[in-house]
Amino acid sequence: ETGVTQSPTHLIKTRGQQVTLRCSSQSGHNTVSWYQQALGQGPQFIFQYYREEENGRGNFPPRFSGLQFPNYSSELNVNALELDDSALYLCATGEDLNEKLFFGSGTQLSVL
Amino acid sequence: ELKVEQNPLFLSMQEGKNYTIYCNYSTTSDRLYWYRQDPGKSLESLFVLLSNGAVKQEGRLMASLDTKARLSTLHITAAVHDLSATYFCAVVNTDKLIFGTGTRLQVFP
Repeated sequence: ETGVTQSPTHLIKTRGQQVTLRCSSQSGHNTVSWYQQALGQGPQFIFQYYREEENGRGNFPPRFSGLQFPNYSSELNVNALELDDSALYLCATGEDLNEKLFFGSGTQLSVL
Repeated sequence: ELKVEQNPLFLSMQEGKNYTIYCNYSTTSDRLYWYRQDPGKSLESLFVLLSNGAVKQEGRLMASLDTKARLSTLHITAAVHDLSATYFCAVVNTDKLIFGTGTRLQVFP
């Protein structure tokens, strides 16, 4: 049990729609990172937030955006969904930069 | 750009046998992680390796790190069916984790 909770666990959307995925972590976890894991692949870094500011971004288009809130929860928003966005989305939180990350169970997103 | 490569990608091994998974990375890093992932599940942290020559062991798994060679190994001793899973190494690069391609391990009787 990592103390990191993601919701929903599964989601089905159609192409062009928008989706919001949520993550809540333990109190005191100031960093949150989001990863996309396509079937049969390793997780790919989307972006990281530290103390509510974006602190790094991977190779993902601007339609992937995020927020981190003062209550240690965060969101990943994806606009104009494409079929290739179908994947497991993982959030990982930590107390500070360069500290151990704790992964949530993930949200499985299917885009039809 | 940091690249992380694992081999083999797929490993089928008999119970009781030993084997090693290799993880190579392309630029220097001060931390390397090993994770386990069961189908449809999230990532379970196995080891964190922080320095050259670091070795950590937990049960039938032992991980080591050679920062000069940019190589980490995950050695499996006397495999059992419960070890069947996908294993990832991940290297820290400017506060983000770069994951390898994963090694899917299947242990059969």
